[in-house]
Amino acid sequence: QLQLQESGPGLVKPSETLSLTCTVSGGSISSSSYYWVWIRQPPGKGLEWIGSIYYSGSTYYDPSLKSRVTMSVDTSKNQFSLKLSSVTAADTAVYYCASLYGSAIPDYWGQGALVTVSS
Amino acid sequence: QTVVTQEPSLTVSPGGTVTLTCASSTGAVTSAYYPNWFQQKPGQAPRALIYSTNNKHSWTPARFSGSLLGGKAALTLSGVQPEDEADYYCLLYYGGGQLGVFGGGTKLTVL
Repeated sequence: QLQLQESGPGLVKPSETLSLTCTVSGGSISSSSYYWVWIRQPPGKGLEWIGSIYYSGSTYYDPSLKSRVTMSVDTSKNQFSLKLSSVTAADTAVYYCASLYGSAIPDYWGQGALVTVSS
Repeated sequence: QTVVTQEPSLTVSPGGTVTLTCASSTGAVTSAYYPNWFQQKPGQAPRALIYSTNNKHSWTPARFSGSLLGGKAALTLSGVQPEDEADYYCLLYYGGGQLGVFGGGTKLTVL
Protein backbone atom coordinates (compact mmCIF):
# COMPACT_ATOMS: atom_id res chain seq x y z
CA GLN A 1 0.00 0.00 0.00
CA LEU A 2 1.03 3.58 -0.50
CA GLN A 3 2.79 5.56 2.19
CA LEU A 4 3.15 9.32 2.10
CA GLN A 5 5.36 11.59 4.19
CA GLU A 6 5.34 15.38 4.30
CA SER A 7 8.55 17.33 4.92
CA GLY A 8 9.52 20.97 5.09
CA PRO A 9 10.07 23.90 7.45
CA GLY A 10 7.74 24.10 10.42
CA LEU A 11 8.05 27.87 10.72
CA VAL A 12 7.62 30.43 7.96
CA LYS A 13 7.70 34.22 8.25
CA PRO A 14 4.75 36.32 7.10
CA SER A 15 4.89 37.35 3.42
CA GLU A 16 7.34 34.53 2.64
CA THR A 17 6.72 31.29 0.73
CA LEU A 18 5.72 28.04 2.39
CA SER A 19 7.31 24.98 0.78
CA LEU A 20 6.45 21.37 1.47
CA THR A 21 7.36 18.10 -0.18
CA CYS A 22 5.51 14.80 -0.07
CA THR A 23 7.50 11.63 -0.60
CA VAL A 24 5.55 8.64 -1.89
CA SER A 25 6.62 5.06 -1.19
CA GLY A 26 5.02 1.72 -1.93
CA GLY A 27 4.03 2.80 -5.42
CA SER A 28 4.92 5.04 -8.34
CA ILE A 29 3.91 8.67 -8.49
CA SER A 30 3.73 8.14 -12.26
CA SER A 31 0.83 5.73 -11.90
CA SER A 32 -1.97 6.61 -14.32
CA SER A 33 -4.49 5.67 -11.62
CA TYR A 34 -3.59 8.40 -9.20
CA TYR A 35 -3.72 12.11 -8.73
CA TRP A 36 -1.95 13.66 -5.74
CA VAL A 37 -3.53 16.20 -3.43
CA TRP A 38 -2.69 18.74 -0.74
CA ILE A 39 -5.17 19.39 2.07
CA ARG A 40 -4.74 21.56 5.14
CA GLN A 41 -6.35 21.92 8.56
CA PRO A 42 -6.00 25.10 10.63
CA PRO A 43 -5.69 24.42 14.37
CA GLY A 44 -9.05 23.41 15.81
CA LYS A 45 -10.80 23.75 12.46
CA GLY A 46 -11.93 21.60 9.55
CA LEU A 47 -10.25 20.27 6.44
CA GLU A 48 -9.56 22.53 3.45
CA TRP A 49 -8.82 21.37 -0.10
CA ILE A 50 -5.80 23.12 -1.59
CA GLY A 51 -5.42 21.40 -4.94
CA SER A 52 -4.34 18.34 -6.88
CA ILE A 53 -1.72 17.39 -9.44
CA TYR A 54 -1.25 14.55 -11.94
CA TYR A 55 2.14 13.03 -12.73
CA SER A 56 2.03 14.78 -16.10
CA GLY A 57 2.00 18.12 -14.29
CA SER A 58 -1.68 18.98 -14.77
CA THR A 59 -2.92 20.91 -11.77
CA TYR A 60 -6.28 21.90 -10.27
CA TYR A 61 -6.23 24.51 -7.52
CA ASP A 62 -8.92 25.77 -5.18
CA PRO A 63 -10.04 29.15 -6.57
CA SER A 64 -9.55 30.88 -3.22
CA LEU A 65 -5.84 29.95 -3.17
CA LYS A 66 -5.12 29.75 -6.88
CA SER A 67 -3.19 33.03 -7.09
CA ARG A 68 -0.73 31.89 -4.40
CA VAL A 69 -0.38 28.13 -4.99
CA THR A 70 2.06 26.21 -7.13
CA MET A 71 2.26 22.42 -7.21
CA SER A 72 4.87 20.32 -8.97
CA VAL A 73 5.89 16.69 -9.41
CA ASP A 74 9.37 15.16 -9.44
CA THR A 75 8.94 11.67 -10.87
CA SER A 76 12.64 10.84 -10.47
CA LYS A 77 12.33 11.26 -6.70
CA ASN A 78 8.73 10.00 -6.42
CA GLN A 79 7.79 13.30 -4.82
CA PHE A 80 5.31 16.09 -5.28
CA SER A 81 5.52 19.56 -3.80
CA LEU A 82 3.48 22.54 -2.64
CA LYS A 83 4.48 26.18 -2.63
CA LEU A 84 2.19 28.80 -1.08
CA SER A 85 3.35 32.38 -1.46
CA SER A 86 2.70 35.55 0.55
CA VAL A 87 1.66 33.62 3.63
CA THR A 88 -0.11 35.14 6.61
CA ALA A 89 -1.07 33.82 10.03
CA ALA A 90 -4.25 32.46 8.42
CA ASP A 91 -2.11 29.93 6.56
CA THR A 92 -0.98 28.33 9.82
CA ALA A 93 -2.21 24.75 9.62
CA VAL A 94 -1.38 21.08 9.49
CA TYR A 95 -0.71 20.32 5.85
CA TYR A 96 -1.54 16.83 4.58
CA CYS A 97 -0.61 15.18 1.34
CA ALA A 98 -2.74 12.31 0.08
CA SER A 99 -3.16 10.02 -2.87
CA LEU A 100 -6.24 10.52 -5.00
CA TYR A 101 -7.30 7.30 -6.71
CA GLY A 102 -9.15 7.86 -9.95
CA SER A 103 -9.06 11.61 -9.29
CA ALA A 104 -11.87 11.44 -6.73
CA ILE A 105 -10.93 8.98 -3.99
CA PRO A 106 -8.49 10.23 -1.35
CA ASP A 107 -7.36 6.93 0.11
CA TYR A 108 -3.88 7.17 1.65
CA TRP A 109 -2.79 10.16 3.71
CA GLY A 110 0.48 11.40 5.15
CA GLN A 111 0.70 12.01 8.88
CA GLY A 112 0.60 15.77 8.37
CA ALA A 113 3.09 18.59 8.86
CA LEU A 114 2.37 21.56 11.09
CA VAL A 115 3.43 24.83 9.52
CA THR A 116 3.28 27.96 11.66
CA VAL A 117 3.41 31.40 10.10
CA SER A 118 5.01 33.80 12.54
CA SER A 119 7.77 36.35 12.71
CA GLN B 1 -18.54 30.08 -3.00
CA THR B 2 -19.78 26.52 -2.61
CA VAL B 3 -20.58 25.47 0.95
CA VAL B 4 -20.90 21.89 2.18
CA THR B 5 -22.85 21.57 5.42
CA GLN B 6 -22.75 18.88 8.10
CA GLU B 7 -24.29 18.65 11.55
CA PRO B 8 -21.80 20.27 13.97
CA SER B 9 -22.31 17.59 16.59
CA LEU B 10 -24.26 14.43 17.30
CA THR B 11 -24.48 12.11 20.27
CA VAL B 12 -25.23 8.39 20.16
CA SER B 13 -25.35 5.61 22.74
CA PRO B 14 -23.09 2.58 22.43
CA GLY B 15 -24.76 -0.04 20.27
CA GLY B 16 -27.05 2.53 18.71
CA THR B 17 -27.41 3.81 15.17
CA VAL B 18 -26.69 7.31 13.95
CA THR B 19 -26.82 9.01 10.55
CA LEU B 20 -24.62 11.94 9.59
CA THR B 21 -25.55 14.03 6.57
CA CYS B 22 -23.76 16.21 4.05
CA ALA B 23 -25.58 18.91 2.09
CA SER B 24 -24.49 21.12 -0.80
CA SER B 25 -25.36 24.80 -1.21
CA THR B 26 -25.77 24.13 -4.94
CA GLY B 27 -28.71 21.78 -4.46
CA ALA B 28 -29.33 18.07 -4.11
CA VAL B 29 -26.27 15.86 -3.71
CA THR B 30 -26.10 13.07 -6.28
CA SER B 31 -23.60 10.35 -7.07
CA ALA B 32 -21.99 12.79 -9.53
CA TYR B 33 -20.54 14.60 -6.52
CA TYR B 34 -18.60 11.40 -5.64
CA PRO B 35 -19.27 11.73 -1.89
CA ASN B 36 -16.42 10.60 0.34
CA TRP B 37 -16.41 10.24 4.12
CA PHE B 38 -13.48 10.43 6.52
CA GLN B 39 -12.95 9.78 10.21
CA GLN B 40 -10.47 11.81 12.23
CA LYS B 41 -9.45 11.17 15.82
CA PRO B 42 -7.53 13.73 17.90
CA GLY B 43 -3.93 14.13 16.83
CA GLN B 44 -4.32 11.79 13.86
CA ALA B 45 -4.59 12.21 10.13
CA PRO B 46 -8.03 11.62 8.62
CA ARG B 47 -8.82 8.06 7.60
CA ALA B 48 -10.88 7.34 4.51
CA LEU B 49 -14.09 5.38 5.17
CA ILE B 50 -16.44 5.65 2.18
CA TYR B 51 -15.95 6.70 -1.45
CA SER B 52 -18.27 7.34 -4.37
CA THR B 53 -21.38 7.48 -2.16
CA ASN B 54 -21.48 3.94 -0.76
CA ASN B 55 -18.24 2.08 -1.42
CA LYS B 56 -16.09 0.92 1.48
CA HIS B 57 -12.33 0.81 1.57
CA SER B 58 -10.81 -2.55 2.47
CA TRP B 59 -10.18 -1.32 6.01
CA THR B 60 -13.63 0.16 6.63
CA PRO B 61 -15.58 -1.65 9.38
CA ALA B 62 -18.85 -3.21 8.21
CA ARG B 63 -20.89 -1.04 10.59
CA PHE B 64 -20.18 2.03 8.43
CA SER B 65 -22.32 2.58 5.34
CA GLY B 66 -22.88 5.42 2.89
CA SER B 67 -25.95 6.46 0.94
CA LEU B 68 -27.94 9.32 -0.54
CA LEU B 69 -30.81 10.45 1.65
CA GLY B 70 -33.25 13.24 0.98
CA GLY B 71 -30.92 15.14 -1.35
CA LYS B 72 -27.90 14.73 0.89
CA ALA B 73 -25.04 12.31 1.22
CA ALA B 74 -25.31 10.25 4.38
CA LEU B 75 -23.03 8.16 6.57
CA THR B 76 -24.74 5.66 8.86
CA LEU B 77 -23.06 3.93 11.77
CA SER B 78 -24.91 0.86 13.02
CA GLY B 79 -23.96 -0.76 16.31
CA VAL B 80 -21.81 2.17 17.36
CA GLN B 81 -18.67 1.36 19.32
CA PRO B 82 -16.90 3.64 21.82
CA GLU B 83 -13.95 3.87 19.44
CA ASP B 84 -16.21 5.50 16.84
CA GLU B 85 -16.11 8.74 18.83
CA ALA B 86 -14.36 11.10 16.40
CA ASP B 87 -14.81 13.91 13.92
CA TYR B 88 -16.32 12.91 10.59
CA TYR B 89 -15.87 14.87 7.37
CA CYS B 90 -17.60 14.55 4.04
CA LEU B 91 -16.03 15.58 0.74
CA LEU B 92 -17.91 16.52 -2.42
CA TYR B 93 -16.53 17.26 -5.87
CA TYR B 94 -17.40 20.16 -8.14
CA GLY B 95 -16.15 21.64 -11.38
CA GLY B 96 -16.35 18.43 -13.36
CA GLY B 97 -14.89 16.42 -10.51
CA GLN B 98 -11.65 18.37 -10.19
CA LEU B 99 -12.34 20.53 -7.15
CA GLY B 100 -13.00 19.02 -3.76
CA VAL B 101 -14.89 20.80 -1.01
CA PHE B 102 -15.02 19.45 2.53
CA GLY B 103 -17.91 19.82 4.91
CA GLY B 104 -17.28 21.52 8.22
CA GLY B 105 -17.24 18.21 10.06
CA THR B 106 -19.46 16.46 12.61
CA LYS B 107 -18.19 15.77 16.10
CA LEU B 108 -19.67 12.41 17.10
CA THR B 109 -19.87 11.68 20.81
CA VAL B 110 -20.54 8.13 22.02
CA LEU B 111 -22.19 8.40 25.41
